[in-house]
Amino acid sequence: QSVLTQPPSVSGAPGQRVTISCTGSSSNIGAGYDVHWYQQLPGTAPQLLIYGNTNRPSGVPDRFSGSRSGTSASLAITGLQAEDETDYYCQSYDSSLSGWVFGGGTKLTVL
Amino acid sequence: QVQVVESGGGVVQPGKSLRLSCAASGFILSNYDMHWVRQAPGKGLEWVAVTRYDGSNKYSAGSVKGRFTISRDNSKNTLYLQMDSLRADDTALYYCAREGLNLILHAFDIWGQGTLVTVSS
Repeated sequence: QSVLTQPPSVSGAPGQRVTISCTGSSSNIGAGYDVHWYQQLPGTAPQLLIYGNTNRPSGVPDRFSGSRSGTSASLAITGLQAEDETDYYCQSYDSSLSGWVFGGGTKLTVL
Repeated sequence: QVQVVESGGGVVQPGKSLRLSCAASGFILSNYDMHWVRQAPGKGLEWVAVTRYDGSNKYSAGSVKGRFTISRDNSKNTLYLQMDSLRADDTALYYCAREGLNLILHAFDIWGQGTLVTVSS
């Protein structure tokens, strides 16, 4: 059971917009700790996709955006492309656990 | 180029020990907090442990506390994970990850390719 809750899967057609939610609690996201998102392509290491809730590292397309509100955060992907079909993880810090926490991951399928 | 490369994984019997290494290059290791993150086969990511930039403080997840020890040698640009009393559920790909600075604080901006640890009799 992950501390941060993500839907196991989401899907969308090419060109559409999808969102992936990440729900936490008062000891992590609700406490004001930033949420970060990672993309993990098959057989490779995770890559930082969004940091500090809304910021994109250099090289990440602006089709990817993040937001945070209350005890939740979301990753939005617009203009879906076949290459976006992979796994996505949210991550934050938890003060009760004194440790870093991840969501269980969401598999995005491009129909 | 900025990178970290893990090594030391392998097959080990339950109850035995293993030490993982992570060699850093392209950046000054002593400026960064460093972590180990693992991923069991077909599963999600799990944070394992962190060591502060100067090795002064270390924290670990409850699932490995008392069994795994993180350490670093900044003079050798290397991070370590000593794993004792290994169990079958420690089987995973172990990643070394750099924690970012400033706005990227608490996020992992550099990851290695991982080293596989299999605990099996």
